[in-house]
Order: sequence, then C-alpha cells, then structure tokens
Amino acid sequence: NAGVTQTPKFQVLKTGQSMTLQCAQDMNHEYMSWYRQDPGMGLRLIHYSVGAGITDQGEVPNGYNVSRSTTEDFPLRLLSAAPSQTSVYFCASSYGLPNTGELFFGEGSRLTVL
Amino acid sequence: RKEVEQDPGPFNVPEGATVAFNCTYSNSASQSFFWYRQDCRKEPKLLMSVYSSGNEDGRFTAQLNRASQYISLLIRDSKLSDSATYLCVVNGAAGNKLTFGGGTRVLVKP
Repeated sequence: NAGVTQTPKFQVLKTGQSMTLQCAQDMNHEYMSWYRQDPGMGLRLIHYSVGAGITDQGEVPNGYNVSRSTTEDFPLRLLSAAPSQTSVYFCASSYGLPNTGELFFGEGSRLTVL
Repeated sequence: RKEVEQDPGPFNVPEGATVAFNCTYSNSASQSFFWYRQDCRKEPKLLMSVYSSGNEDGRFTAQLNRASQYISLLIRDSKLSDSATYLCVVNGAAGNKLTFGGGTRVLVKP
C-alpha cells in the first residue's frame, strides 16, 4: 500500500547544482502539490497540479519547476540550488481539490544546500 | 499578518488532562478548515475536518467561529500518544490551495 512515494529522502547539494525530487502516487489522485517546511514557517505551497498537463504556482515558486506528464508523477526540479532552499520538502496528493477531502503526504525529502 | 496563525506552544499537558488551543485566519472568504497532526520528523496526517456546527471525533472536538475568524481544537483525557504538533489548515474560496499554520506543539507528560 504505497500511497505517496518521495525520493530521495535525504540530499546534500552544493550551491548552483540542480536536482529533481521525485514524487509518485498510486491512488489515482488528480491533485498533486509540493510544499516546503521550514522551522516556524509552517508548510508553504510551492507548485500544484489539478491534473495531467496542468500546473500552477503556489506561494513560493521561485527557483523551482514542475511538470505533470502523467497522473501518477509530479517531479520538482531545483534549477540552481541556493542555501535558502535548505528545507524539508513534502509532496501531497488528493482525489479532488484539497478542500474537499484528505491531503495525503509523502514521508518528506530533507535537502541541505551548502 | 500571516494568513493562518497559531500559538507555537509548547503546551505541556499532564496525562489525562484537557487542552485546548486556537488558530486564527485572516481571509473571511475561507470555506474549509482542517486540523492535521504531525509527529516529530514525520509527514502531516489529517486529524479531522472542522464543520460549521462543530464536530467531535472521540476525544477531539473542533469548533469554528466565523465571526471572530478562528477555529479551535480541544483534546480531552490526553494520552502520551497525543504528543505532536497540530497544524491548522484553511482553504480559500478557490478550493485549490490550502494554507497551513505554523503549528501548535503539544507535549503530554506522565
């Protein structure tokens, strides 16, 4: 019973490097999203998607790209990593819009940018 | 002003006691409200939705006050396993974005 799977769980990058955080869900959810969580800041929405081929920006999209080529996958790309992107990243999905039901989260990806 | 504000705590609660805490939101057009629970270094999980008339789920009671723009969570007969951070979550009128509060940490002690 996989649910939402994120990889990698831990990553250390140097400033300027790029990488992709992977997110996959096996629940046939239309809505997928990426959040970052920083101490004292709560979870902040980076990007979200309401279905394959459709993406939109959240509260803090700068420095990140997303795509949604399939229902199952929603990768998050860091274009040129900066120390300010050190954070815990959570992917989350829901069957419909998140105001109508439960948002299911992955276990998180801890990213450190040196 | 943050869209969703919570007292970060921690609320130190004796086992068996009752604890309650609030969350205020700034967008009067908000339509949906939730409490999520997050254990240390884990992902958030839905605890309960909050309905206009208030609702109860076992030892947990959630209330919504639209006039004053806050929601509350009350935990009765606290268990050690209730120790966690409780996240207040509010959705705007569009329905496609949730806004999370910073969380209220609860520590239940024997």
